[in-house]
Amino acid sequence: QKEVEQNSGPLSVPEGAIASLNCTYSDRGSQSFFWYRQYSGKSPELIMFIYSNGDKEDGRFTAQLNKASQYVSLLIRDSQPSDSATYLCAVADSNSGYALNFGKGTSLLVTP
Amino acid sequence: DVKVTQSSRYLVKRTGEKVFLECVQDMDHENMFWYRQDPGLGLRLIYFSYDVKMKEKGDIPEGYSVSREKKERFSLILESASTNQTSMYLCASSWGTDQPQHFGDGTRLSIL
Repeated sequence: QKEVEQNSGPLSVPEGAIASLNCTYSDRGSQSFFWYRQYSGKSPELIMFIYSNGDKEDGRFTAQLNKASQYVSLLIRDSQPSDSATYLCAVADSNSGYALNFGKGTSLLVTP
Repeated sequence: DVKVTQSSRYLVKRTGEKVFLECVQDMDHENMFWYRQDPGLGLRLIYFSYDVKMKEKGDIPEGYSVSREKKERFSLILESASTNQTSMYLCASSWGTDQPQHFGDGTRLSIL
């Protein structure tokens, strides 16, 4: 089983601060990495994907990838209470190319 | 936007029944997936399909089967429902290898 590890949290940050969410993975051959946001009782929603080492920015979100360290992170700038959700890290399975291996998620709480 | 539609949001069935969960996507995606999500266990892949009439077992296929007769439709079948199959079931689709998956709203299935 290919592991994707996330701290379950909850991670609590004040409104306006930067939230930093981290993920490590065991599949050294993985080429594609995804972040999903899941509100309670809802389905996962794609917010970012990254394929290359380095940073990728989209609005208030920045994904960071370091393949050598097998580490991917998500930064959320100017955090809002509406960002309170569980964030799932997903890593493409290098064997199949179709399937994603998901972490169990980090719960983020943004306090006003 | 990608639209993945699951036939029911909530479903209640009895043990021993044969249960059908339907999923339809409107983006001509090649790949479709069925997951279940349980507290503390995260998302677990049941089955996926990378082409019409093709299917591959995921991590937990026991007690389930699938059908993909048309590209846009992927059905999950619980052959003889049991109480341990009470869960949130999520369908997803993607258009190629190493691509993001897009999820439907989910079906919360209760087996009594």
